[in-house]
This record gives sequence, structure tokens and C-alpha cells, in this order.
Amino acid sequence: DGGITQSPKYLFRKEGQNVTLSCEQNLNHDAMYWYRQDPGQGLRLIYYSQIVNDFQKGDIAEGYSVSREKKESFPLTVTSAQKNPTAFYLCASSIEVWGEQFFGPGTRLTVL
Amino acid sequence: AQSVSQHNHHVILSEAASLELGCNYSYGGTVNLFWYVQYPGQHLQLLLKYFSGDPLVKGIKGFEAEFIKSKFSFNLRKPSVQWSDTAEYFCAVIGNTDKLIFGTGTRLQVFP
Repeated sequence: DGGITQSPKYLFRKEGQNVTLSCEQNLNHDAMYWYRQDPGQGLRLIYYSQIVNDFQKGDIAEGYSVSREKKESFPLTVTSAQKNPTAFYLCASSIEVWGEQFFGPGTRLTVL
Repeated sequence: AQSVSQHNHHVILSEAASLELGCNYSYGGTVNLFWYVQYPGQHLQLLLKYFSGDPLVKGIKGFEAEFIKSKFSFNLRKPSVQWSDTAEYFCAVIGNTDKLIFGTGTRLQVFP
């Protein structure tokens, strides 16, 4: 059953702690993306990766970091430098960069 | 900067009513256009897309959208909505930035 998985669905962290969100795809897609969704603001691009071992900053990369060591995986770390980390985080992938994107179920992060 | 506007933030309809959700974008060159839908508790999924050709695009579940280049618009329509269409709808555009830019979304509530 092909698709994109994100875990966990809900995540709680204390302020000042780094946290890593998981994103895995078995679609054999080259490109992967991280978006942040806030009420009334739509989806905003955090980072994207065209291919393994490559990634580019999106519109709101400050306070976030990513890695792309494997084609299937694109984890996102929310660092303590992110001023307002509480949000819904969506991972997506596409066959090639900026093609039709397929989305995961999302992780809702709450920083207390 | 390239932007996407969805002026209807919240739409409430009765079943069988007709639907039109507005989407306008700011870029004047060649664009790829998308409508995504997020049903309650489900993944964001593609409703329809326009890359080129016939400006009237048919999507899943009876939705359609019309690309009007002169108006920079890509409005989503459905002649008769159902309760199951209750969801959040996002318009998205790829233009000169080569990134997928999302609108802020429209929340549709359909009452039986």
C-alpha cells in the first residue's frame, strides 16, 4: 500500500526542546517537501528536497532543519530557535520537483 | 511576489446548492494551477489541476474549474453540493518562482 506516512499524529514538547518529525514515502518519488499549516494562512513551505542529499530553504525555513540521507525519508527538526512552533506540519512528495504533490496525514505539534 | 488569493474564507450552503469558490493569482506568465481538498481528519488531496489545453478542467467528485487568463482566475465550481463536500479547499499555483504557492483556504460547510 503506497503512500506517505508521518509520525506521530500528535506531538507535545516543552519550550526550548528540539523535536524531530518523521516523514517516510514508499512512492519512489525524488522530491519531498515540508509545509506548515496555520489557521487562516494556508500552507507555507519550510524546506524541500529535489533529490537525495540535497535540500533547499522554503519561505519560512528559520528555526527548522532537515536532512535527506535516504530517498524514502525527509525528517524535519523543529529547533528551539523557532519562535512559534505550535502548528500542523504536512509532508509531501512528488515524482519530480514541483510536479503533482501527494500529502501525508500531518503531525500536530504543540509546544507547551 | 507571487501570491494566491482566496476571498471566500468560510462558505455555508445547503445540500443541492451550487458552489463557486474564487481563486486569483498575481503572476502574469505561464502558470500551473491546482485545487486541493482537505476533508475532516483526512489527507490533503488533489481535486483537479490545469497545466495547458482546455481551460475548463474536470476533477473528481463532480468538481470543475475554469482558467480565465485575462482575469488571473481559477475558480472552482460544483453544480450541486452534498453534505460530504464539507471540507477545506485550497487553491495553489506554480508560476515564475517554480514553487507551489497556496492560498489561505476556504472552509465549506454543507448542511443537509
